[in-house]
Amino acid sequence: GQSLEQPSEVTAVEGAIVQINCTYQTSGFYGLSWYQQHDGGAPTFLSYNALDGLEETGRFSSFLSRSDSYGYLLLQELQMKDSASYFCAVSLRGDSSYKLIFGSGTRLLVRP
Amino acid sequence: ETGVTQSPTHLIKTRGQQVTLRCSSQSGHNTVSWYQQALGQGPQFIFQYYREEENGRGNFPPRFSGLQFPNYSSELNVNALELDDSALYLCASALAIVDNEQFFGPGTRLTVL
Repeated sequence: GQSLEQPSEVTAVEGAIVQINCTYQTSGFYGLSWYQQHDGGAPTFLSYNALDGLEETGRFSSFLSRSDSYGYLLLQELQMKDSASYFCAVSLRGDSSYKLIFGSGTRLLVRP
Repeated sequence: ETGVTQSPTHLIKTRGQQVTLRCSSQSGHNTVSWYQQALGQGPQFIFQYYREEENGRGNFPPRFSGLQFPNYSSELNVNALELDDSALYLCASALAIVDNEQFFGPGTRLTVL
């Protein structure tokens, strides 16, 4: 079956750096995405990795190692508004089908 | 450019009933996916539609069905509602089948009593 693992909760201080890890076991892997969701809100796209390496978008960076079935989201210069749930999601591609499978999420609490 | 919208915002049904949830994708987005999100969990993939045909399906029974229309709107239909169907239902649109970025709507909160 398909499975993703990420920590359930992370706490960090404003201005700090935090890394949220994601490991996956899937077949038909196509890419790894990260989404942010504030309480009561819709998930919003943060980043996507299809190839090994680091992708940087402002304060957020995402890394993928396909050989290790592992990725992480790095948040720098944390702000209070970064308190939210963060989901990794794997894109799976079959012969003529597609699925996007989400992890159970990591709740990030940023403290002053 | 308008975002993804969903209706209704909230809905209460009783067990055994049927429900239809609606989604309006961003203009030009040929792909729509539906997700079920239980409280404290990640979104669970129900299915994806591309140009009005189902293109992928998660582990949901056949009583979950969908439609996609040429005007970028879509529906999620759930028959024979069960208590466990209580959740937030999200739709997300994208330009292509495998697109880096999916744009999510605000969701419909379904409560089954």
